[in-house]
Amino acid sequence: DTGVSQDPRHKITKRGQNVTFRCDPISEHNRLYWYRQTLGQGPEFLTYFQNEAQLEKSRLLSDRFSAERPKGSFSTLEIQRTEQGDSAMYLCASSSYRSASTDTQYFGPGTRLTVL
Amino acid sequence: GENVEQHPSTLSVQEGDSAVIKCTYSDSASNYFPWYKQELGKGPQLIIDIRSNVGEKKDQRIAVTLNKTAKHFSLHITETQPEDSAVYFCAAIVTGTASKLTFGTGTRLQVTL
Repeated sequence: DTGVSQDPRHKITKRGQNVTFRCDPISEHNRLYWYRQTLGQGPEFLTYFQNEAQLEKSRLLSDRFSAERPKGSFSTLEIQRTEQGDSAMYLCASSSYRSASTDTQYFGPGTRLTVL
Repeated sequence: GENVEQHPSTLSVQEGDSAVIKCTYSDSASNYFPWYKQELGKGPQLIIDIRSNVGEKKDQRIAVTLNKTAKHFSLHITETQPEDSAVYFCAAIVTGTASKLTFGTGTRLQVTL
């Protein structure tokens, strides 16, 4: 396994701009998760996919946020009309869910977003 | 929903000493408890996990204990080394029905020479 990869690693944008992040999960992992982490806090769940289906979204995911996983492989997270409060580390994780005993989540390196 | 509390928020130990980090959870249905280590600028790395049918698990210098009755679990690191310095997060989840990990607020461990 090459691990979960995320791109870009850092993104600086001006308020009001749109940004898109990409996550490539571990090969053949069927579940993919997005979390957000602010300074000094633990990661907070945003949404997750099983294959291409988005099964759950947190109330943290406002209508400015949209996530896709079109072919059940990589995923994108888009933030429209960014606000300074969106500044955070966006983490992606994946797992190979086959039963309740195999749902271990492995995280990528994250994308650090700074909104000026 | 699930709530996970983690203590202490910072921990400083001398190299070779032991470190203990404690977490409590609120949802008695939670059945899987991973621990992650996060170094500066990196994503969380899984270091050990425990499921609710087990009371203790050990992997070399790292061990985790779980008390389901009291709803708390702990991470124990023995013979600490400078490379153990990082932020450690506990998490809890009900596997199968809900897949979101609920994390504690983290413990910054500093191992001094």
